[in-house]
Amino acid sequence: AQSVTQPDIHITVSEGASLELRCNYSYGATPYLFWYVQSPGQGLQLLLKYFSGDTLVQGIKGFEAEFKRSQSSFNLRKPSVHWSDAAEYFCAVGASLGDMRFGAGTRLTVKP
Amino acid sequence: NAGVTQTPKFQVLKTGQSMTLQCAQDMNHEYMSWYRQDPGMGLRLIHYSVGAGITDQGEVPNGYNVSRSTTEDFPLRLLSAAPSQTSVYFCASSYISTAASIRGYTFGSGTRLTVV
Repeated sequence: AQSVTQPDIHITVSEGASLELRCNYSYGATPYLFWYVQSPGQGLQLLLKYFSGDTLVQGIKGFEAEFKRSQSSFNLRKPSVHWSDAAEYFCAVGASLGDMRFGAGTRLTVKP
Repeated sequence: NAGVTQTPKFQVLKTGQSMTLQCAQDMNHEYMSWYRQDPGMGLRLIHYSVGAGITDQGEVPNGYNVSRSTTEDFPLRLLSAAPSQTSVYFCASSYISTAASIRGYTFGSGTRLTVV
Protein backbone atom coordinates (compact mmCIF):
# COMPACT_ATOMS: atom_id res chain seq x y z
CA ALA A 1 0.00 0.00 0.00
CA GLN A 2 1.09 3.55 -0.57
CA SER A 3 2.41 5.65 2.29
CA VAL A 4 3.38 9.26 2.75
CA THR A 5 5.90 10.94 5.04
CA GLN A 6 6.06 14.55 6.08
CA PRO A 7 9.43 14.79 7.84
CA ASP A 8 8.83 18.14 9.51
CA ILE A 9 6.31 18.18 12.34
CA HIS A 10 6.59 21.91 12.96
CA ILE A 11 8.14 24.74 10.96
CA THR A 12 8.48 28.39 11.94
CA VAL A 13 9.16 31.06 9.33
CA SER A 14 9.15 34.84 9.40
CA GLU A 15 6.47 36.70 7.51
CA GLY A 16 7.74 37.46 4.01
CA ALA A 17 10.22 34.61 4.02
CA SER A 18 10.02 31.70 1.62
CA LEU A 19 8.58 28.35 2.62
CA GLU A 20 9.13 24.75 1.61
CA LEU A 21 7.23 21.86 3.17
CA ARG A 22 8.48 18.39 2.39
CA CYS A 23 6.49 15.35 1.35
CA ASN A 24 7.87 11.96 0.41
CA TYR A 25 5.79 9.03 -0.70
CA SER A 26 6.15 5.34 -1.28
CA TYR A 27 4.29 3.87 -4.21
CA GLY A 28 5.14 1.80 -7.25
CA ALA A 29 3.65 4.05 -9.89
CA THR A 30 2.81 7.73 -10.07
CA PRO A 31 -0.02 8.23 -7.62
CA TYR A 32 -2.48 11.05 -7.22
CA LEU A 33 -0.75 13.72 -5.12
CA PHE A 34 -2.42 16.49 -3.17
CA TRP A 35 -1.68 19.17 -0.64
CA TYR A 36 -4.34 20.31 1.82
CA VAL A 37 -4.42 23.03 4.45
CA GLN A 38 -6.34 22.96 7.71
CA SER A 39 -6.86 25.99 9.91
CA PRO A 40 -7.52 25.37 13.63
CA GLY A 41 -10.91 23.81 14.22
CA GLN A 42 -11.69 23.71 10.53
CA GLY A 43 -12.00 21.13 7.79
CA LEU A 44 -9.45 20.61 5.05
CA GLN A 45 -9.10 22.76 1.97
CA LEU A 46 -7.40 21.59 -1.22
CA LEU A 47 -4.36 23.69 -2.20
CA LEU A 48 -3.22 21.85 -5.32
CA LYS A 49 -2.98 18.46 -7.00
CA TYR A 50 -0.85 16.47 -9.40
CA PHE A 51 -1.66 13.45 -11.50
CA SER A 52 0.34 13.79 -14.69
CA GLY A 53 1.88 16.33 -17.03
CA ASP A 54 3.87 19.38 -15.97
CA THR A 55 5.69 18.52 -12.77
CA LEU A 56 5.40 22.05 -11.37
CA VAL A 57 1.81 22.72 -10.35
CA GLN A 58 0.25 25.95 -9.20
CA GLY A 59 -2.37 26.09 -6.54
CA ILE A 60 -4.45 28.57 -4.64
CA LYS A 61 -3.16 31.23 -2.24
CA GLY A 62 0.17 31.51 -4.11
CA PHE A 63 1.32 27.96 -3.37
CA GLU A 64 3.09 25.69 -5.83
CA ALA A 65 4.47 22.15 -5.64
CA GLU A 66 6.97 20.20 -7.66
CA PHE A 67 6.70 16.50 -8.36
CA LYS A 68 10.08 14.77 -8.53
CA ARG A 69 9.71 11.14 -9.55
CA SER A 70 13.35 10.26 -8.93
CA GLN A 71 13.08 11.45 -5.33
CA SER A 72 9.47 10.32 -4.74
CA SER A 73 8.77 13.79 -3.46
CA PHE A 74 6.06 16.40 -3.83
CA ASN A 75 7.27 19.44 -1.90
CA LEU A 76 5.08 22.48 -1.33
CA ARG A 77 6.54 25.96 -1.74
CA LYS A 78 5.55 29.57 -1.36
CA PRO A 79 7.88 32.49 -2.18
CA SER A 80 6.62 34.85 0.52
CA VAL A 81 4.63 33.68 3.52
CA HIS A 82 1.79 35.72 5.00
CA TRP A 83 0.63 35.58 8.61
CA SER A 84 -2.64 34.07 7.40
CA ASP A 85 -0.74 31.03 6.11
CA ALA A 86 -0.26 29.76 9.65
CA ALA A 87 -2.07 26.42 9.69
CA GLU A 88 -1.45 22.71 9.40
CA TYR A 89 -0.53 21.31 6.01
CA PHE A 90 -1.16 17.78 4.86
CA CYS A 91 0.24 15.89 1.90
CA ALA A 92 -1.96 13.12 0.51
CA VAL A 93 -1.11 10.24 -1.82
CA GLY A 94 -3.26 7.64 -3.44
CA ALA A 95 -3.51 5.02 -6.10
CA SER A 96 -7.12 6.08 -6.53
CA LEU A 97 -9.34 8.86 -5.25
CA GLY A 98 -11.01 6.42 -2.93
CA ASP A 99 -7.90 5.08 -1.22
CA MET A 100 -6.01 8.25 -0.32
CA ARG A 101 -3.46 8.28 2.49
CA PHE A 102 -2.44 11.38 4.37
CA GLY A 103 0.80 12.33 6.03
CA ALA A 104 0.94 13.26 9.71
CA GLY A 105 0.98 16.94 8.83
CA THR A 106 3.32 19.91 9.22
CA ARG A 107 2.30 22.74 11.48
CA LEU A 108 3.37 26.13 10.18
CA THR A 109 3.95 29.06 12.54
CA VAL A 110 4.53 32.50 11.02
CA LYS A 111 6.53 35.02 13.05
CA PRO A 112 5.73 38.71 12.58
CA ASN B 1 -25.91 24.32 -0.36
CA ALA B 2 -23.73 21.89 -2.31
CA GLY B 3 -21.16 20.06 -0.26
CA VAL B 4 -20.58 17.30 2.27
CA THR B 5 -22.81 17.34 5.34
CA GLN B 6 -21.87 15.48 8.50
CA THR B 7 -24.08 14.95 11.49
CA PRO B 8 -23.82 15.23 14.40
CA LYS B 9 -21.06 17.79 14.96
CA PHE B 10 -20.42 16.62 18.51
CA GLN B 11 -21.20 13.37 20.29
CA VAL B 12 -20.38 11.79 23.62
CA LEU B 13 -20.79 8.04 23.94
CA LYS B 14 -20.34 5.59 26.74
CA THR B 15 -18.06 2.62 26.22
CA GLY B 16 -19.97 -0.17 24.52
CA GLN B 17 -22.64 2.00 22.97
CA SER B 18 -23.19 1.97 19.23
CA MET B 19 -23.97 4.87 16.94
CA THR B 20 -23.97 5.99 13.34
CA LEU B 21 -22.18 9.04 12.00
CA GLN B 22 -24.05 10.41 9.03
CA CYS B 23 -22.49 11.72 5.84
CA ALA B 24 -24.36 13.04 2.83
CA GLN B 25 -23.21 14.78 -0.33
CA ASP B 26 -25.29 16.39 -3.04
CA MET B 27 -22.63 16.67 -5.75
CA ASN B 28 -23.18 13.22 -7.29
CA HIS B 29 -19.63 12.24 -6.37
CA GLU B 30 -18.83 8.57 -6.80
CA TYR B 31 -15.95 8.44 -4.31
CA MET B 32 -16.59 8.80 -0.59
CA SER B 33 -14.30 8.14 2.36
CA TRP B 34 -14.19 8.28 6.12
CA TYR B 35 -11.13 9.46 7.99
CA ARG B 36 -10.27 9.91 11.63
CA GLN B 37 -7.92 12.64 12.75
CA ASP B 38 -5.85 12.29 15.88
CA PRO B 39 -3.12 14.66 17.12
CA GLY B 40 0.26 13.90 15.55
CA MET B 41 -1.14 11.19 13.30
CA GLY B 42 -2.76 13.15 10.52
CA LEU B 43 -5.81 11.65 8.88
CA ARG B 44 -6.15 7.90 8.74
CA LEU B 45 -8.47 6.21 6.27
CA ILE B 46 -11.14 4.05 7.87
CA HIS B 47 -13.31 2.93 4.95
CA TYR B 48 -13.97 4.15 1.47
CA SER B 49 -16.39 3.63 -1.39
CA VAL B 50 -15.94 3.99 -5.13
CA GLY B 51 -19.65 3.90 -5.88
CA ALA B 52 -23.02 2.79 -4.61
CA GLY B 53 -22.87 -0.78 -3.35
CA ILE B 54 -19.06 -0.87 -3.27
CA THR B 55 -17.01 -0.36 -0.11
CA ASP B 56 -13.52 -1.29 0.99
CA GLN B 57 -11.34 -1.09 4.07
CA GLY B 58 -8.72 1.54 4.69
CA GLU B 59 -5.88 1.69 7.20
CA VAL B 60 -7.89 1.44 10.43
CA PRO B 61 -11.21 -0.33 9.76
CA ASN B 62 -11.55 -2.34 12.96
CA GLY B 63 -14.56 -1.37 15.04
CA TYR B 64 -16.28 0.41 12.18
CA ASN B 65 -18.79 -0.61 9.51
CA VAL B 66 -19.98 1.23 6.43
CA SER B 67 -22.51 0.77 3.67
CA ARG B 68 -23.26 2.71 0.49
CA SER B 69 -26.81 2.04 -0.60
CA THR B 70 -27.09 5.35 -2.48
CA THR B 71 -24.61 7.67 -4.18
CA GLU B 72 -25.46 10.43 -1.72
CA ASP B 73 -25.07 8.73 1.66
CA PHE B 74 -22.16 6.99 3.33
CA PRO B 75 -22.86 6.36 7.04
CA LEU B 76 -20.17 5.15 9.44
CA ARG B 77 -21.26 2.81 12.22
CA LEU B 78 -19.42 2.31 15.46
CA LEU B 79 -20.38 -1.15 16.62
CA SER B 80 -19.28 -0.99 20.27
CA ALA B 81 -17.60 2.29 21.12
CA ALA B 82 -14.23 2.25 22.87
CA PRO B 83 -12.21 5.15 24.34
CA SER B 84 -9.63 4.56 21.56
CA GLN B 85 -12.25 5.73 19.10
CA THR B 86 -12.28 9.20 20.60
CA SER B 87 -11.33 11.32 17.61
CA VAL B 88 -12.49 13.80 15.02
CA TYR B 89 -14.11 12.07 12.07
CA PHE B 90 -14.16 13.52 8.59
CA CYS B 91 -16.19 12.39 5.64
CA ALA B 92 -15.00 13.35 2.15
CA SER B 93 -16.18 12.91 -1.40
CA SER B 94 -14.72 13.29 -4.88
CA TYR B 95 -15.18 12.32 -8.50
CA ILE B 96 -13.34 11.92 -11.76
CA SER B 97 -14.94 12.87 -15.04
CA THR B 98 -11.72 12.77 -17.04
CA ALA B 99 -8.07 12.39 -16.09
CA ALA B 100 -7.63 16.10 -16.66
CA SER B 101 -10.44 17.03 -14.31
CA ILE B 102 -9.35 15.10 -11.25
CA ARG B 103 -10.55 16.79 -8.13
CA GLY B 104 -9.35 16.43 -4.63
CA TYR B 105 -11.66 15.65 -1.82
CA THR B 106 -14.39 17.90 -0.59
CA PHE B 107 -14.42 17.47 3.17
CA GLY B 108 -17.24 17.74 5.62
CA SER B 109 -16.83 19.90 8.70
CA GLY B 110 -16.18 16.91 10.96
CA THR B 111 -17.74 15.11 13.91
CA ARG B 112 -15.97 15.35 17.25
CA LEU B 113 -16.60 12.09 19.10
CA THR B 114 -15.70 11.42 22.71
CA VAL B 115 -16.05 7.94 24.20
CA VAL B 116 -16.03 7.82 27.99
